[in-house]
Amino acid sequence: QVTLRESGPALVKPTQTLTLTCTFSGFSLSSNGMCVSWIRQPPGKALEWLAVIDWENDKYFSTSLKTRLTISKDTSSNQVVLKMTNMDPMDTATYYCARITWNGIYADHWGQGLQVTVSS
Amino acid sequence: QSVLTQPPSTSEIPGQRVVISCSGSTSNIGSNFVSWYQQVPGTAPKLLIYKNRQWPSGVPGRFSGSKSGTSASLAISGLQSDDEADYYCATWDDSLNGPVFGGGTKLTVL
Repeated sequence: QVTLRESGPALVKPTQTLTLTCTFSGFSLSSNGMCVSWIRQPPGKALEWLAVIDWENDKYFSTSLKTRLTISKDTSSNQVVLKMTNMDPMDTATYYCARITWNGIYADHWGQGLQVTVSS
Repeated sequence: QSVLTQPPSTSEIPGQRVVISCSGSTSNIGSNFVSWYQQVPGTAPKLLIYKNRQWPSGVPGRFSGSKSGTSASLAISGLQSDDEADYYCATWDDSLNGPVFGGGTKLTVL
C-alpha cells in the first residue's frame, strides 16, 4: 500500500524559507521509474507542479520558481524534502506531494496536502 | 496562464455525457502522454486516466480519455451527482523540461 504524507509549518513569515518533508511508504525511490513530486494549489486556483525528483536523483523544477526551489531525497528514510526560499503571501497554498511513475509521467498516489499560509 | 488550456466550467444533467477538452502544443500533448485528475473541493486530486486512455484500478469505465494531435479529452458518461468536481489534465512539456497542468474545469451536475 502506497502512502505519502506532507509535513512542515502551517505558517511562515514573508522572506523566510519554507521546508516541507514528504514521508512515503509502499515503494522505493531507488526503484527504476519512481519519482516524487511537489505540487501546490493556491486557494481557489489550479494545481501547479513545483518540482520532481527521480530514482536517479535527477531533478526538474517549475520554470517560474526554479531559482527558489531545491529538492532532495533520503532513500533510506523514504523522505523527500522541498525547500522554497523568500516566501511571499502569494505562496499561500496547499502543498501536495505525489508519487510519479516516469513511464507516462502520472501522479498515481497523493498525500492529503498541507495548508501553508505566508503572513507576518 | 496555464500551458494547457481547459474550459473553466461545464455543466450537464445526471445521466448524460460530458466531454472536457485539454489543448496544448507539439512540445507537450503532441509528444507525451496525458493524464487526468479529479478533485473534489477540500480533498487531494485523484488519478482518473493515465497514458491518454488507461484506467487505474477502481476508476469506473464511465470515465474515458482520448488524445489526438495536440489535444486531449476526458469523457464522462452516465453523469452522477458525485462526479461534480474539478478536473485537470496534465502532461510533460519538452520545452519547459517539466510536467504541466491545465487550468482545471469545474463540472457542475445540474
